[in-house]
Amino acid sequence: DIVLTQSPGTLSLSPGERATLSCRASQSLSSNYLAWYQQRPGQAPRLLIYDASSRATGIPDRFSGSGSGTDFTLTISRLEPEDFAVYYCQQYGRSPPFNFGQGTKLEIK
Amino acid sequence: EGQLVESGGGLVQPGGSLTLSCAASGFTFGEYTMSWVRQAPGKGLEWVSSIAGVGGRTDYADIVKGRFTISRDNSKNILYVQMNSLRAEDTAVYYCVKDHVARNGVFDSFDIWGQGTKVAVSS
Repeated sequence: DIVLTQSPGTLSLSPGERATLSCRASQSLSSNYLAWYQQRPGQAPRLLIYDASSRATGIPDRFSGSGSGTDFTLTISRLEPEDFAVYYCQQYGRSPPFNFGQGTKLEIK
Repeated sequence: EGQLVESGGGLVQPGGSLTLSCAASGFTFGEYTMSWVRQAPGKGLEWVSSIAGVGGRTDYADIVKGRFTISRDNSKNILYVQMNSLRAEDTAVYYCVKDHVARNGVFDSFDIWGQGTKVAVSS
């Protein structure tokens, strides 16, 4: 099974700053089948990025995804107050299980 | 835009059974792979099971294999999961989710999530 490891566990930043979140896979992901989700407290997760670098419908362009193979990054260029949440990466494709990373909590400094 | 509404959660004793339902609207249900994802209290997300839109292929996480059965009724736009032999560690919010793209033989990211239904397994 592919294991996804996210870092850091918690990231403390201020509004307006740039956030960089990492997701590392235990083996190379075929076709860069990696997604990023945002989960605000008390809400269901929301798809932000799919196929490693494509923004989902309605997602602001301050969110961007990059990477390939085993190393992937979610970047939030300028943090807005509503961006403070938990972020998960997930791998998908042909072979289950479609595991999630353990999450990165982005908190206000 | 599509919508998913789960129901059927509740309190059940260890060893008991429960069936969750998910009513879909706003998209062509039968074309898409559908899945269940769960989240234990204060924990992260865990993929549970998926069922293809065409062909009906099913997949399960090892931890629920043999205990959970995913199914769908494309005529009614409803997804189900029957959960048997429930354990305390099955306590979670269960989300119904839709694949972003209908790709034949390839499972995709999840672009629509329901609001979740809570399952508590306790005596």
